Amino acid sequence: DAGVTQSPTHLIKTRGQQVTLRCSPKSGHDTVSWYQQALGQGPQFIFQYYEEEERQRGNFPDRFSGHQFPNYSSELNVNALLLGDSALYLCASSLSRLQETQYFGPGTRLLVL
Amino acid sequence: TQLLEQSPQFLSIQEGENLTVYCNSSSVFSSLQWYRQEPGEGPVLLVTVVTGGEVKKLKRLTFQFGDARKDSSLHITAAQPGDTGLYLCAFSRGAGNMLTFGGGTRLMVKP
Repeated sequence: DAGVTQSPTHLIKTRGQQVTLRCSPKSGHDTVSWYQQALGQGPQFIFQYYEEEERQRGNFPDRFSGHQFPNYSSELNVNALLLGDSALYLCASSLSRLQETQYFGPGTRLLVL
Repeated sequence: TQLLEQSPQFLSIQEGENLTVYCNSSSVFSSLQWYRQEPGEGPVLLVTVVTGGEVKKLKRLTFQFGDARKDSSLHITAAQPGDTGLYLCAFSRGAGNMLTFGGGTRLMVKP
C-alpha cells in the first residue's frame, strides 16, 4: 500500500516563474492538505481540498492555488514566484475531513533563485 | 507570535543521554500531537495526547500533556542516533483538522 507520494522531489525556478507541484494521497484517502515548511521552521498550513473544492485556507496569498482531481490527487500552483517561496512543500492526506490523523508525503523542495 | 513555542530549538547530545523537549502555549487545547521528521521526509505522527495530565509511552519516548492542557513535554530515555530528527508539536483546528505546528526542536544524537 503506497503512502503519500509527491513529485517532483526537487525543483529550481527563478523569480517570477510559475510552478506546479503534485501529490497522490494514500490509498483510500479523500482529503488532501498542503503545507509550506521554510528552512528551520515548522510546517505552515496552506489549504485543504476535499470533494475537488478548497475547503480551508491558511494565511497565504492568492498566488497560491490548487486543484483536486476526481481520483483525489492534488496539485499546488504558485504564480509569480518570490525568493521567499523557497521551502519544502508537504502534502498530507487523511481518510476524511473529520479524521485527525494526517499522513505526510516526503515533500517537494523548491528553490527560487 | 507562534501559538506553540517549542524549546530548545536545537539539542545535541551523546548516545545514552536523556533529554526533554517542551511545547508551550497560553492557549488551551483539546489535544496535542507530536511528530518526528527525519531529513528528506515528511513528519510522522508519534502520538496524540488528549486528557490533561495524560502520560503516554512509546518505547523510550514518554509524552505528557499538562494538567491545564496548555503544554506538553517529550522525554527520551537513553537516546540513540536513530532518534535524530526534528520533533514537532501541533494541534488541529477547524472542520478539516487543519494542523498548526510549533517551530520544532532539532535533535542530534551523536554516537
